[in-house]
Amino acid sequence: GAVVSQHPSWVICKSGTSVKIECRSLDFQATTMFWYRQFPKQSLMLMATSNEGSKATYEQGVEKDKFLINHASLTLSTLTVTSAHPEDSSFYICSARTGNEQFFGPGTRLTVL
Amino acid sequence: EDKVVQSPLSLVVHEGDTVTLNCSYEVTNFRSLLWYKQEKKAPTFLFMLTSSGIEKKSGRLSSILDKKELFSILNITATQTGDSAIYLCAGRRGSQGNLIFGKGTKLSVKP
Repeated sequence: GAVVSQHPSWVICKSGTSVKIECRSLDFQATTMFWYRQFPKQSLMLMATSNEGSKATYEQGVEKDKFLINHASLTLSTLTVTSAHPEDSSFYICSARTGNEQFFGPGTRLTVL
Repeated sequence: EDKVVQSPLSLVVHEGDTVTLNCSYEVTNFRSLLWYKQEKKAPTFLFMLTSSGIEKKSGRLSSILDKKELFSILNITATQTGDSAIYLCAGRRGSQGNLIFGKGTKLSVKP
């Protein structure tokens, strides 16, 4: 139980295009979902926290107009990287929380050419 | 199906104790195993293990990988209250590097 999936697993896009990444909790309802970005040396940076039906809370330094987060339901959150640039190339990981437990998705590797 | 299983799920110890956290994995196209410490905002990276039998150390923490038996352990010696956290292990698979996370071990260190 408690599986979090992400789609796509990897995506390559051209600079200037927008990319949407989906995060789903497959067998539980997530009160809160988190989006992370993985940097070199493997550290994870929290980008934003989203609760179903409300606006996401972005961490300092994260552009909310560039990284659009929609938490449409208790099982689905999406991250849209708008007007992507090569520096946005990274590994994006989502996580879903239910109660006191938090479960991580497998991540999406974004490569912007 | 890929999976990473951590044990125990929860552990309570006293300061000064030594703890061993376990992580077993079944990950297709396995590349490496990562350990993280999660306290608040985001998991902080501890170790990445790629080769079997080579211990990695950082202060009181150490970790080793056994690719034959498909497991890794994280040791913490002389535990301190600041070690209280959830420790996550994740297996990295394939060329795209997707991570399969375990559910974590919640460590509580009592004074």
